[in-house]
Amino acid sequence: AQSVSQHNHHVILSEAASLELGCNYSYGGTVNLFWYVQYPGQHLQLLLKYFSGDPLVKGIKGFEAEFIKSKFSFNLRKPSVQWSDTAEYFCAVNRYSSASKIIFGSGTRLSIRP
Amino acid sequence: GAVVSQHPSRVICKSGTSVKIECRSLDFQATTMFWYRQFPKQSLMLMATSNEGSKATYEQGVEKDKFLINHASLTLSTLTVTSAHPEDSSFYICSASPGQGIGNEQFFGPGTRLTVL
Repeated sequence: AQSVSQHNHHVILSEAASLELGCNYSYGGTVNLFWYVQYPGQHLQLLLKYFSGDPLVKGIKGFEAEFIKSKFSFNLRKPSVQWSDTAEYFCAVNRYSSASKIIFGSGTRLSIRP
Repeated sequence: GAVVSQHPSRVICKSGTSVKIECRSLDFQATTMFWYRQFPKQSLMLMATSNEGSKATYEQGVEKDKFLINHASLTLSTLTVTSAHPEDSSFYICSASPGQGIGNEQFFGPGTRLTVL
C-alpha cells in the first residue's frame, strides 16, 4: 500500500538554525508531492508543492524542498528558522493515477526555542 | 486565498445521538470535497471523497452508513456521524478543491472537534 513516512516526530531547534525535515514515500509511479503546515490553533496551509520540472521547489516563508526520485524523498528545508515557524509539518503525496486523493505522512512537530 | 469554513468548531454529544458537521467553501465553488479524521498526535486519515451531486467514495474501513456524506451543492458538504460512540471522538477536517483531477490544490477547513460522552 502507498505510504508516506516522516521519520522525525518532534524536532527542536534554536532560532537561526537550519532545518531539514525528512519525507519518504512508497509508490513507484508518478507522484505529486506537497508540504503542509499547521500552526498552533490554525488550519492546514500549503507550504509548497511539486508536480513536475525543477526538482527544487521554493515555497512560502523561505521554505524549499527537493524531490529526489531515486530516493523517493521530498525533504523540506529552511536555512534559518524563526520562532514563528513553530508548527506541525505534514508531507503528502498524490498519486498521479488517483485524482485528487492525497495521502498524508504522520507529521513532524517543530519547536523553535527563542 | 480560498477559504473553507466548518461548523461547528466543537461539539459534545451523548452516545447514541447523531451529529452533523458542515463544510463550506466561502469564495469558490468546490467540485470535490474531502473529509479527514485526525487522532491526537497523528496524521490526517482520508475518510471519503465527495463530488457535487454524486455519492461519496469511502476509503477502505470507513463505514458509509455511520459516516453519511452529502455534497448537495458546489459550496456545501455535510458529514453526519450517526449513532455516535466514544470511539468516534476525534478531530474532523474537511478540504475543498475547485477542480477535479490530479494534484488540484485542496484548501482545508479549521476542523471540528467531536467529543462523544
